[in-house]
Amino acid sequence: GAVVSQHPSWVICKSGTSVKIECRSLDFQATTMFWYRQFPKQSLMLMATSNEGSKATYEQGVEKDKFLINHASLTLSTLTVTSAHPEDSSFYICSARVSTYEQYFGPGTRLTVT
Amino acid sequence: GQNIDQPTEMTATEGAIVQINCTYQTSGFNGLFWYQQHAGEAPTFLSYNVLDGLEEKGRFSSFLSRSKGYSYLLLKELQMKDSASYLCAVLRSGGSYIPTFGRGTSLIVHP
Repeated sequence: GAVVSQHPSWVICKSGTSVKIECRSLDFQATTMFWYRQFPKQSLMLMATSNEGSKATYEQGVEKDKFLINHASLTLSTLTVTSAHPEDSSFYICSARVSTYEQYFGPGTRLTVT
Repeated sequence: GQNIDQPTEMTATEGAIVQINCTYQTSGFNGLFWYQQHAGEAPTFLSYNVLDGLEEKGRFSSFLSRSKGYSYLLLKELQMKDSASYLCAVLRSGGSYIPTFGRGTSLIVHP
């Protein structure tokens, strides 16, 4: 089946630093990947849609200069949280679209900003 | 826009049956998903409904009524491992085919 990996699975960083999270589709190519953020006991909130070879489409209220997304290949998308602050601490999940109606989620990255 | 409503929490007994409801309001509709998410893990796909009716898959069944903007997930023969959050997600129309998630229903199964 379709497998999506994320790295790292968890990261702790200091306020003001930047963190990069990788999302890879391991056994298929994904022209479209999604980045979500999930706070405790809340649902998945879509941050942006990442399309290979083009600029990401950000959801309303998501700062594109703070959350940098790069989809450089058909199997890799990265999310960089720049100048992280404690309020950015969250569970970040990516998913890769296999078809119009199918997407597979990565295992998530737990970010803690101190 | 889209509005998706699910109960926040439900409890049930091992071996029992539980129904988790989801209501939605959307200007366009391309189907509804149910996902299971254990704490600290990514969601896993359970079902996708685009036509009215009931679809059964083992212990899990999903029902959709497009005219009522309503779906439910039915879990039979509950097991302790079914304790998880269940997310209802509606697929947007308009060409982008991006799912919008509800808040999720936390199901607690006790002995």
